[in-house]
Amino acid sequence: AAGVIQSPRHLIKEKRETATLKCYPIPRHDTVYWYQQGPGQDPQFLISFYEKMQSDKGSIPDRFSAQQFSDYHSELNMSSLELGDSALYFCASKQGEADTQYFGPGTRLTVL
Amino acid sequence: GENVEQHPSTLSVQEGDSAVIKCTYSDSASNYFPWYKQELGKGPQLIIDIRSNVGEKKDQRIAVTLNKTAKHFSLHITETQPEDSAVYFCAASKGGGADGLTFGKGTHLIIQP
Repeated sequence: AAGVIQSPRHLIKEKRETATLKCYPIPRHDTVYWYQQGPGQDPQFLISFYEKMQSDKGSIPDRFSAQQFSDYHSELNMSSLELGDSALYFCASKQGEADTQYFGPGTRLTVL
Repeated sequence: GENVEQHPSTLSVQEGDSAVIKCTYSDSASNYFPWYKQELGKGPQLIIDIRSNVGEKKDQRIAVTLNKTAKHFSLHITETQPEDSAVYFCAASKGGGADGLTFGKGTHLIIQP
């Protein structure tokens, strides 16, 4: 079965640079979530989109923004990167009123 | 906002024994409680979930129980196997819409051969 696709899988950036992470949800899924997971920590919810509209907002820094496009893929844009932004970034998707969120393999961002 | 507490942080059991992980939540509006298994370097994988209108759910060796009054839910794994070794996260949300999940801190489950 098709899964959530994230790209790139690994990304290395310098401080103060920008990064763009991409997420392609499972086909026919209309809701996308972004989570950040620091080393040894639990995933922290950042933001979600339903039918291309922002739906819920968690602990997303003002330096980060995201959007969902007409084909339902989503991009997380991160600017003025800091060392503390180094983490695994997961995208999850679900369909309509269903509860289950399916997670992608993640993008490992390293900020030097 | 929601706060989920999870215990223990590490659990070591002999292969074939049972493992129990417990979570509590704070927001009485939460009604969806999934459990995820995460292996090193991989994304969380749903293993079982329960909604607040159900007290218990079972899937082969895995079961989840929910006590809505006490705001407490637990994961039970029987006949543990080496491949059960991983980090397990409980989570809570209002479900249905696009609300994000609030996760517990995770339990590192170690299955001793």
